[in-house]
Amino acid sequence: ETGVTQTPRHLVMGMTNKKSLKCEQHLGHNAMYWYKQSAKKPLELMFVYSLEERVENNSVPSRFSPECPNSSHLFLHLHTLQPEDSALYLCASSQSSFGQGTGELFFGEGSRLTVL
Amino acid sequence: AQSVTQPDIHITVSEGASLELRCNYSYGATPYLFWYVQSPGQGLQLLLKYFSGDTLVQGIKGFEAEFKRSQSSFNLRKPSVHWSDAAEYFCAVGERWGYGGATNKLIFGTGTLLAVQP
Repeated sequence: ETGVTQTPRHLVMGMTNKKSLKCEQHLGHNAMYWYKQSAKKPLELMFVYSLEERVENNSVPSRFSPECPNSSHLFLHLHTLQPEDSALYLCASSQSSFGQGTGELFFGEGSRLTVL
Repeated sequence: AQSVTQPDIHITVSEGASLELRCNYSYGATPYLFWYVQSPGQGLQLLLKYFSGDTLVQGIKGFEAEFKRSQSSFNLRKPSVHWSDAAEYFCAVGERWGYGGATNKLIFGTGTLLAVQP
């Protein structure tokens, strides 16, 4: 069992659909993240939740809506997406903080999203 | 703002040859530095990390990296590359974020795609 599990692994949706990506971590971490990975671009940090409170929102369009009901689960709700939103969406978790020699991020395998 | 530069987009080496992937960062204080690897269709796996102390750090799969403050670099090395090392490699710098610095954030470079010739 991997530490961070993402479902679905692949998703194809139309621009008018509503779907959700799910992430679950089994590592006992207290922070969770959504990153977007597009071709030929650096990984973009979208959202960070620490202790279930959102602490980072990098000017992400409102058509992406995160939800973190507890420290083990993270969702990314998608609605009225655009074709340019097609990408690999990576979930990660970590334990605060860097100062104790830990705090690295552990990633899931990603959800490949295609918007038609 | 912090940034990470990986100047080599694509590198090809022969199996058994040595490897060095370059990484330069921009950060005012002592950085937290990481190397991750991503195989096709997979997520990112941590190879190694530097927080403090010995500037030469050992990682998994025979990789090592050396932190050089004077050059703002954290280059990844492997003495003998195996075909299974073909993947994309990402360097990242970390910073504390959020209330009281309790949350970690990683800034990634654009990655270096490694191809291994037989």
